[in-house]
Amino acid sequence: GAVVSQHPSWVICKSGTSVKIECRSLDFQATTMFWYRQFPKQSLMLMATSNEGSKATYEQGVEKDKFLINHASLTLSTLTVTSAHPEDSSFYICSARRIQGGWMNTEAFFGQGTRLTVV
Amino acid sequence: AQSVAQPEDQVNVAEGNPLTVKCTYSVSGNPYLFWYVQYPNRGLQFLLKYITGDNLVKGSYGFEAEFNKSQTSFHLKKPSALVSDSALYFCAVRAYDQTGANNLFFGTGTRLTVIP
Repeated sequence: GAVVSQHPSWVICKSGTSVKIECRSLDFQATTMFWYRQFPKQSLMLMATSNEGSKATYEQGVEKDKFLINHASLTLSTLTVTSAHPEDSSFYICSARRIQGGWMNTEAFFGQGTRLTVV
Repeated sequence: AQSVAQPEDQVNVAEGNPLTVKCTYSVSGNPYLFWYVQYPNRGLQFLLKYITGDNLVKGSYGFEAEFNKSQTSFHLKKPSALVSDSALYFCAVRAYDQTGANNLFFGTGTRLTVIP
């Protein structure tokens, strides 16, 4: 299956600093990547859809100036949490959709997730 | 609106017994249904999907799921549970949202515990 690598797997940062999380598709091209946030014992919340070469599409309620997304190439998307605060502590997961045939019937491939703790 | 419901937060089953993790969905149009599994502090792994064809879909690690259109359900099953199956399971449906984008909508997850 396709491989999506997310880095780092965990990070601890001080309040007020910024943290960058990378999501790479290792063996396929992904024009579209997705960023999710998962709270303890809760489902995944889609934060934004990242499209290569264009601006990300943010879901309602997600601050685009706080969660900066860059999708500079077909294999890399980054999420930067700016001026992080303790309430930003969460598990962030990216996924990528491989270009193949129709969109609807294609499974998504997920990164390993990043555990962010802001102290 | 598109939605997925997993009515059970927790399912406990003895090792060797059959397991079922329930999922119901609500979409307009044809559903594209998926099951994913998540191990602690890990991303999601794809298990299986239903697009069209046979209602019984077989996937990874011996899992299967049955699509039931009349009941709008897509329950995950396995004939004989293993302790290593203990994890968090997500049902998901792909559908078009109000912006026209087709996104995955996830259920709230069911934690499966297989008891030795």
